Amino acid sequence: SQKIEQNSEALNIQEGKTATLTCNYTNYSPAYLQWYRQDPGRGPVFLLLIRENEKEKRKERLKVTFDTTLKQSLFHITASQPADSATYLCALNSGGYNKLIFGAGTRLAVHP
Amino acid sequence: DTAVSQTPKYLVTQMGNDKSIKCEQNLGHDTMYWYKQDSKKFLKIMFSYNNKELIINETVPNRFSPKSPDKAHLNLHINSLELGDSAVYFCASSQDRTYNEQFFGPGTRLTVL
Repeated sequence: SQKIEQNSEALNIQEGKTATLTCNYTNYSPAYLQWYRQDPGRGPVFLLLIRENEKEKRKERLKVTFDTTLKQSLFHITASQPADSATYLCALNSGGYNKLIFGAGTRLAVHP
Repeated sequence: DTAVSQTPKYLVTQMGNDKSIKCEQNLGHDTMYWYKQDSKKFLKIMFSYNNKELIINETVPNRFSPKSPDKAHLNLHINSLELGDSAVYFCASSQDRTYNEQFFGPGTRLTVL
């Protein structure tokens, strides 16, 4: 069956450290993968998109990797801050058009 | 300047009622979506319209009917509401129907009593 899985447990880290979130998928062949941030009571906000032919993408303190052999994406936040605390969702495209399948999200808590 | 807006933000209603949620985007995008986020926080695509044409129609009860009067608006009408319809409904838009980022609205929390 098709699955997209993210760390189900909350991730607690100390301010200044690097947070690494994992997204694994099975029985999908996505052309691209996206990461979103969701704060409580708000809609998801787009962060990064990485295509199947790209190994790595960076934006300021954020870095995403995409390994189509391992069927995995890693999302890194360097020099993390308490303001980075949120739920992070990975999403991959399935089929045609811009149809996104979302993971359940990983809640990140950055402690001062 | 709100990019994607939804009304109402909260909706509390009785089982069996019919209700609508409205969505508008001022980004000039061609494509709009409706998602449902249940209590376990899974965000699932329901429908997508591209320039008023339905292009994604997931396995959703036919009590749910989307309507797009123009490409800036996508409304969701729900008939005969059931307890299991309680969730947060998000509208989103993207530039077009190819692969690009989606912009989400603030969500509508629907509670069916």
